[in-house]
Amino acid sequence: ETGVTQTPRHLVMGMTNKKSLKCEQHLGHNAMYWYKQSAKKPLELMFVYNFKEQTENNSVPSRFSPECPNSSHLFLHLHTLQPEDSALYLCASSQRDSNTGELFFGEGSRLTVL
Amino acid sequence: KNQVEQSPQSLIILEGKNCTLQCNYTVSPFSNLRWYKQDTGRGPVSLTIMTFSENTKSNGRYTATLDADTKQSSLHITASQLSDSASYICVVSAYSGGSYIPTFGRGTSLIVHP
Repeated sequence: ETGVTQTPRHLVMGMTNKKSLKCEQHLGHNAMYWYKQSAKKPLELMFVYNFKEQTENNSVPSRFSPECPNSSHLFLHLHTLQPEDSALYLCASSQRDSNTGELFFGEGSRLTVL
Repeated sequence: KNQVEQSPQSLIILEGKNCTLQCNYTVSPFSNLRWYKQDTGRGPVSLTIMTFSENTKSNGRYTATLDADTKQSSLHITASQLSDSASYICVVSAYSGGSYIPTFGRGTSLIVHP
């Protein structure tokens, strides 16, 4: 238990569906992140939120839409995805002013796009 | 461009044997190097962290080394157990503009056979 909870753990959707991934952190951290993990590739940073303000959008297609209503909740809204978007989506949090910037990851949401 | 290269890509060993995983990096300005363990279908969990002035750090049967001059790190696993089967990810962080910026390696997939 890392203190970062993601739901759902598994999601199968068609290319025309709209779905959302949810992340909640119970660590009191002030930064939250979405990462994409595809097979044989390093983790890819998608979005960063500091104090619920988006500070980074790593050239992510608009079919991925993040939302951060407060510093402990983060959503990733999905719309008209492509099969190549199938991956493990990891949420993470950190304390921005910590000594090391350690990332605490959730268990991930395994997304399959048909 | 900051990069982290890990080797080998995959490794199979027998239970009880030792193994060493490698990480080479070009990350600037260097702040810290962390090894994460990621079990299949789970999120990464931090094993060790080393800053510039540290050259070795242990966590149970895991020992990480860092040579900041050659920009190399290794993770040595002693007396391997079946539960060590996982992906091991080297993450090197730069510190810039008040933020830690991690660069992820692709990971080494370790399989421990009985």
